[in-house]
Amino acid sequence: EAGVTQSPTHLIKTRGQQVTLRCSPISGHTSVYWYQQALGLGLQFLLWYDEGEERNRGNFPPRFSGRQFPNYSSELNVNALELEDSALYLCASSLAPLAVYNEQFFGPGTRLTVL
Amino acid sequence: GENVEQHPSTLSVQEGDSAVIKCTYSDSASNYFPWYKQELGKGPQLIIDIRSNVGEKKDQRIAVTLNKTAKHFSLHITETQPEDSAVYFCAAKGPNFNKFYFGSGTKLNVKP
Repeated sequence: EAGVTQSPTHLIKTRGQQVTLRCSPISGHTSVYWYQQALGLGLQFLLWYDEGEERNRGNFPPRFSGRQFPNYSSELNVNALELEDSALYLCASSLAPLAVYNEQFFGPGTRLTVL
Repeated sequence: GENVEQHPSTLSVQEGDSAVIKCTYSDSASNYFPWYKQELGKGPQLIIDIRSNVGEKKDQRIAVTLNKTAKHFSLHITETQPEDSAVYFCAAKGPNFNKFYFGSGTKLNVKP
């Protein structure tokens, strides 16, 4: 069974540009999470989508947004890129949130570099 | 909200020795505590987890303990091997939301 997949693997952008990252969850998983992992730091929660709806949001500005499609895949959009947006962006998926204990499975991440 | 603290930030052990990583959490309602291993250039992988109704769980060389009263949980790796070298993250999740709070990570180096 395929795991969580993310594209692209690496991305280089300049300040002020916009970027779209993509994630496909494990088959059967309806929840998708996005995290930002800056170099040498822990995972910071960005967004949680389930059944096409944004369910929760971390402490990030509105220029970080996303959506979830009917097939449960997801996009993360970052507008007006800033240098400090350079990080590894991780996507994770899990079963429906009604399950009491949800394991998260992570993708390999997209390395974003903002110059 | 929940706050998870993880110590130490780096840990260096000799091959064959044991390694212990500790985490504390602030929200007594948290009930699920996974541990992840992240190798260089890869996403985190779940290695073991524990639920709040259990005090200890083992899986071969890896064990996790949970003290709900003190609100801390620990990862124990015995007979460490060079391939255990990675960054380890603890996390906590509450019962009414699907948001995971992560520790800041521990870089484990196992010297051959």
